[in-house]
Amino acid sequence: DGGITQSPKYLFRKEGQNVTLSCEQNLNHDAMYWYRQDPGQGLRLIYYSQIVNDFQKGDIAEGYSVSREKKESFPLTVTSAQKNPTAFYLCASHLAGTGGLGELFFGEGSRLTVL
Amino acid sequence: QKEVEQDPGPLSVPEGAIVSLNCTYSNSAFQYFMWYRQYSRKGPELLMYTYSSGNKEDGRFTAQVDKSSKYISLFIRDSQPSDSATYLCAMSGSFQKLVFGTGTRLLVSP
Repeated sequence: DGGITQSPKYLFRKEGQNVTLSCEQNLNHDAMYWYRQDPGQGLRLIYYSQIVNDFQKGDIAEGYSVSREKKESFPLTVTSAQKNPTAFYLCASHLAGTGGLGELFFGEGSRLTVL
Repeated sequence: QKEVEQDPGPLSVPEGAIVSLNCTYSNSAFQYFMWYRQYSRKGPELLMYTYSSGNKEDGRFTAQVDKSSKYISLFIRDSQPSDSATYLCAMSGSFQKLVFGTGTRLLVSP
């Protein structure tokens, strides 16, 4: 079945540690996105990538880093510079080149808790 | 002021009720309007996708867009307990990033 796989589902880390969240898709989509979801704030865009080896900052990129070495994979690293990393992280993808960006496919999310 | 405003709820209704969920927005460049449904601890899934103004119906769901008032709605007829979820509106202009509302939590009681 085609879809987006995020791992791990739940992650606990100590303050000051870097953490990498995995996102893999087998939908053959060009564009991939990372969002952060906090209660009362909706989804906020962290980073996005329209093509392999290229990515752009979203609205809240500070303290995060990404790579896009393969079309299928878009891992997100939450660094120790991120001041409030505890959140629900969502990876999404869609076919690039469409006028509207609405038909995003989301993964199941990764809940990161920093102790 | 946020670009997209959405009442967080929760909205509690009995089974069988008609549900109305709404969002207002301020950016007149938005042309594409979406509703996503998100169950607890899961990723959002696309429910309805509308371009420009008008109505779109899909089963028990109807999406309405009024660009003159900058107002979009999602109606759910004959609501079921399985409709209990958070509903997120989202919108964008051409080749622009999506802007999401905060989501409305809906509870349908049997």
